[in-house]
Parts: sequence; C-alpha cells; structure tokens
Amino acid sequence: DVKVTQSSRYLVKRTGEKVFLECVQDMDHENMFWYRQDPGLGLRLIYFSYDVKMKEKGDIPEGYSVSREKKERFSLILESASTNQTSMYLCASSFGTGVSQPQHFGDGTRLSIL
Amino acid sequence: GQNIDQPTEMTATEGAIVQINCTYQTSGFNGLFWYQQHAGEAPTFLSYNVLDGLEEKGRFSSFLSRSKGYSYLLLKELQMKDSASYLCASLDSNYQLIWGAGTKLIIKP
Repeated sequence: DVKVTQSSRYLVKRTGEKVFLECVQDMDHENMFWYRQDPGLGLRLIYFSYDVKMKEKGDIPEGYSVSREKKERFSLILESASTNQTSMYLCASSFGTGVSQPQHFGDGTRLSIL
Repeated sequence: GQNIDQPTEMTATEGAIVQINCTYQTSGFNGLFWYQQHAGEAPTFLSYNVLDGLEEKGRFSSFLSRSKGYSYLLLKELQMKDSASYLCASLDSNYQLIWGAGTKLIIKP
C-alpha cells in the first residue's frame, strides 16, 4: 500500500511565522501535490511537482512556496503565516505524468494561525 | 469556467441504497474520480470512470455519461461505516483534478 506521511496532524503557529509542512511518500511516485481543504469548498491546489526540483503553481499559490529536493519529499512553506491560512492541508502523490492515476493522500495537517 | 456540482448533504437509512450525483464542466476531460473521506481522515480512492457506463465494485458502483457531463456514485446495502463525505473530481485536459466540495452522507439506523 502507498503510504503518504505528513509530519504533523495538528499545528498552531503565530501570525508572521515561517511555517514548514513536510510530506513523504514511500512509493517512488513522480507527482506530488499540496492542497488546502476548507469547509464548503472543494480541495484547492496550492502547488504540485512532477519531478525532483520541479514545481508548478496551482490555483492558489500566493503566500506559499514549495521545495522538492528529493523524490520522496515535498515541503510546503508559508513564508509569513497569516490567519487566512488557517486550514486543513493535504499532501498527495501519484504515479506517472499525463496519465489518469489516482492520487494517494496523507492524513492531513490541521494548521491554526493565531 | 470549470465547475463541479454535487449535493452538500444527504441522509439515508442503514441497509438502503443511495445515489450521489455529480455534474461537471471542465476544460477537456480525462476521467472522473470518486473519493471517500471520513471525518478527520485522508480522502481514499473509490473509483475512476473515463468511458460511459456503469462500473461495479462490490457494494459501490459509479456511472458516467460524458455527453451529459454527469456521474453518480451508487452505494448499496448501506452500513453505518459508510457515513462519510464523498468527493467527486474531474481530470481536465492538463491532467489536473478539479474537485467538488463533497457530499456529506449521513446514515441513520
């Protein structure tokens, strides 16, 4: 089974802090994704990556950056946290490029910015 | 624009059948996914349809009509553990997933 592991289930940070969310997958997947999930809205894509050191902006990249130095690890960075970034953050991975493979998700990080 | 519509909430009785509908409008189409998400947990993959018709997988079936931009997830012999949110997502021409807001399914004894 695919395992996607996010470093924290719950995190509380203060406005203005730099926040790192880590995600590791163990299935040698090429693709990795960061989403945020808010009540009443569908999953919204923040950033994704098709390969090591590659990154692409999703629908809502403002205020975020990412890093993919190794194939199995994809980090999401909140450069200067703000209260409107309080959300559930989900990391996902999938196999292949330009193919219809399902994404496999981590358990999520519920982030609160005070 | 791109849009996925599904009902916000549905209620059904244990042992019954429920159909969760999803309509989509996306730029290009490379298939339709259904995921299940229990409260506080990760979404898990249920089904993928790219051709018209019904795909059956145990108690769960998924249907697609490409001409109508419509899909449904059919759950039979409902169990209490089926209480969850069900997410519909369309894969667009860039192979990006466009997600619906999810349907919260409540199962009553």
